[in-house]
Amino acid sequence: SQQGEEDPQALSIQEGENATMNCSYKTSINNLQWYRQNSGRGLVHLILIRSNEREKHSGRLRVTLDTSKKSSSLLITASRAADTASYFCPEGAQKLVFGQGTRLTINP
Amino acid sequence: EPEVTQTPSHQVTQMGQEVILRCVPISNHLYFYWYRQILGQKVEFLVSFYNNEISEKSEIFDDQFSVERPDGSNFTLKIRSTKLEDSAMYFCASTTSGLAGTSYNEQFFGPGTRLTVL
Repeated sequence: SQQGEEDPQALSIQEGENATMNCSYKTSINNLQWYRQNSGRGLVHLILIRSNEREKHSGRLRVTLDTSKKSSSLLITASRAADTASYFCPEGAQKLVFGQGTRLTINP
Repeated sequence: EPEVTQTPSHQVTQMGQEVILRCVPISNHLYFYWYRQILGQKVEFLVSFYNNEISEKSEIFDDQFSVERPDGSNFTLKIRSTKLEDSAMYFCASTTSGLAGTSYNEQFFGPGTRLTVL
């Protein structure tokens, strides 16, 4: 079934470093969204990039989108301990289909 | 900033009992959703609701499940006869748009209700 697939499954970096996560999807999209989930808690919407956009920034977040490759990346710059979470790029418009996510750990 | 709220935060019930999980979506939103996440597993779509009726549901959403918008603010998920495997976090979400053929906006999620079936 269609779902956004995040890569890598797990990423561990030192505080202050940049973290890059990738996403691949299968269907044609109007937009792509990234969400964050802290352990066992609710999903927080981070950023939405529309299909006619190639790059978007929000604070320390930078998202790119390559519709020809059906892929997206999320870059978090100057990472902090509070960025420790799982990150998702669910596929779908009305009904979101989640993958396993990238589990990001920021080490002090 | 407006947010989706859910009550209770944690519900413990006996197998076979009925539970109602409550959500208050953001006030000007039109589409409402329920998702669930079994511990350690993916977030799974259950149902979407628009204009007072179900617009889409998953295979999980069988006859034991129902949704309702009893008034202008609440959105509820009822499980008629709970099973052990219904134990999960249940998330409500809402969004401003969702009409077929239009670009969709972000879904705002509530903090979840942890359901434990004993």
